[in-house]
Amino acid sequence: KNEVEQSPQNLTAQEGEFITINCSYSVGISALHWLQQHPGGGIVSLFMLSSGKKKHGRLIATINIQEKHSSLHITASHPRDSAVYICAVRSPWSGGGADGLTFGKGTHLIIQP
Amino acid sequence: DAGVIQSPRHEVTEMGQEVTLRCKPISGHNSLFWYRQTMMRGLELLIYFNNNVPIDDSGMPEDRFSAKMPNASFSTLKIQPSEPRDSAVYFCASSIRAGAFTDTQYFGPGTRLTVL
Repeated sequence: KNEVEQSPQNLTAQEGEFITINCSYSVGISALHWLQQHPGGGIVSLFMLSSGKKKHGRLIATINIQEKHSSLHITASHPRDSAVYICAVRSPWSGGGADGLTFGKGTHLIIQP
Repeated sequence: DAGVIQSPRHEVTEMGQEVTLRCKPISGHNSLFWYRQTMMRGLELLIYFNNNVPIDDSGMPEDRFSAKMPNASFSTLKIQPSEPRDSAVYFCASSIRAGAFTDTQYFGPGTRLTVL
């Protein structure tokens, strides 16, 4: 089974700071996903990556397939970015959950005004 | 346009009782997913359907769990009999294209299940 590690587990920062959340995995994957879970519990799918980089507004996600590592960056962070960010990898050939999905435990981000 | 609708939002039941969770996906979406989230295990994909057909149920924890999708606008996740360790938040999600996470997924608000 793919082991997915996220760091940091908890992060508190000031509004405007540049934020980086990391995700590492142990086995080769076909895709990696970043999810955002709001304090009320709702989950939003942010990115799906298989290579390179994607950008959406102030969010940037990168992946390095050789190093088995992905990062999620938030520029000009804002209190509304406060949420749990979850990394999920898809590796159907290595077990894990349905459709070969394994989830990280999440990074709890708090942006203070 | 309404998003994914789940009911009930909260369910408290006693061990041994049958529990049925319901989900209405976004109209026009072809894939539906059931997830479970706990503090200990985090988020897990239990099962997903493409065009109402179950594709992968390898995440379903035990035979006590079953899921159905009788039509494109309705799905159920049933636990019988329920146990305290089933306490969790259960999310339903849908997407336009087939396959787990091959497309943007839209999540419902979740059902918080407590089994006493």
